[in-house]
Amino acid sequence: GAVVSQHPSWVICKSGTSVKIECRSLDFQATTMFWYRQFPKQSLMLMATSNEGSKATYEQGVEKDKFLINHASLTLSTLTVTSAHPEDSSFYICSARAPGTSGSSDTQYFGPGTRLTVL
Amino acid sequence: DQQVKQNSPSLSVQEGRISILNCDYTNSMFDYFLWYKKYPAEGPTFLISISSIKDKNEDGRFTVFLNKSAKHLSLHIVPSQPGDSAVYFCAASVWGGGKLIFGQGTELSVKP
Repeated sequence: GAVVSQHPSWVICKSGTSVKIECRSLDFQATTMFWYRQFPKQSLMLMATSNEGSKATYEQGVEKDKFLINHASLTLSTLTVTSAHPEDSSFYICSARAPGTSGSSDTQYFGPGTRLTVL
Repeated sequence: DQQVKQNSPSLSVQEGRISILNCDYTNSMFDYFLWYKKYPAEGPTFLISISSIKDKNEDGRFTVFLNKSAKHLSLHIVPSQPGDSAVYFCAASVWGGGKLIFGQGTELSVKP
């Protein structure tokens, strides 16, 4: 149980184009999903919290107009990198907060990640 | 401000021995802690967690210890296996708050 998928697993795009990444919880409903970014040899940095049916909450320093998040259903959240530039090249990972028993409600299950390369 | 710190970027252990990965935190509001294992170009895999009402949680070869007074937690892997070689991240949250704050990771290498 608690499987999260991401699509695509890797994408190469030209500078100035937009890229959409999908995150799906396959065997559970996730009212909350999270989007992270990881640079090589660094920690996972939370970009935003995505709540089903409401606007995403962005972390300080993350441009909400550049990283559009849509959480249209209990099993799908999308991240769109708009007008991508080479500095947006990174490894993007989503996670879903799984419903659990007492004490485990904050466990997040992660997708496999998406490698974005902007030329 | 690094609220969750893993001060050892790497650790090398012989197969069959114990691996001990350490994590320190500064925010006394954290009350739920998790360990994740991560391979390159993959998402983290949940290993084990502990809430602040406990000081130990065990799951097979993995045991997490929490010392609240020292704001320190550790992950013990016994016995270590070559397949355990990966980057291990500790993470912390305020229970019910949702957001996880990650440490920088420790790269574990288990040598045959």
